[in-house]
Amino acid sequence: QQQVKQSPQSLIVQKGGISIINCAYENTAFDYFPWYQQFPGKGPALLIAIRPDVSEKKEGRFTISFNKSAKQFSLHIMDSQPGDSATYFCASPTSGTYKYIFGTGTRLKVLA
Amino acid sequence: GAGVSQSPSNKVTEKGKDVELRCDPISGHTALYWYRQSLGQGLEFLIYFQGNSAPDKSGLPSDRFSAERTGGSVSTLTIQRTQQEDSAVYLCASSLALAGGNIQYFGAGTRLSVL
Repeated sequence: QQQVKQSPQSLIVQKGGISIINCAYENTAFDYFPWYQQFPGKGPALLIAIRPDVSEKKEGRFTISFNKSAKQFSLHIMDSQPGDSATYFCASPTSGTYKYIFGTGTRLKVLA
Repeated sequence: GAGVSQSPSNKVTEKGKDVELRCDPISGHTALYWYRQSLGQGLEFLIYFQGNSAPDKSGLPSDRFSAERTGGSVSTLTIQRTQQEDSAVYLCASSLALAGGNIQYFGAGTRLSVL
């Protein structure tokens, strides 16, 4: 069964620091690789997504780095803020269906 | 436009009762997904509808769980004879189901508590 391995499970960062979350996937499907942000009591919200033919995408303080040959992608949060404290999920498309496989989540806490 | 809408937002029920959870996807999205999220855990896939195709039920944990999608839009997830272990947040998502452009968008979820 296809998996997405996400690390770390939890992360504590000082305000203004850089938060880095990594994911490794297994399949070769061509579709967007998204990151979701989830606050307590809310559903996951799309944060940023990247196509697999692009190596990096930046939106404000959030950057996805994509390494197709290594089948890895990561989320970088620059100048991390306490308001970024949330759980982050990566997801990988699957071959032959429109389903996605989700990582197990990373709980980020940014200290003020 | 409007996002994915789920109702109710909270549901408290007694063990053994049946519950129905509703999901209204984003207009024009042909794919609809149900997930279960236990407290502090990840997303557990339950079922997936795509257009008029037979649903992918491979994630349903038992035959007490079923779902239907009427008219290719609204979906209802039904849990029969609820058990305490069914307590979780049930999330619905929808997507355009286009090759190369299939990002899922989630609703706020229904928090189910089985007493």
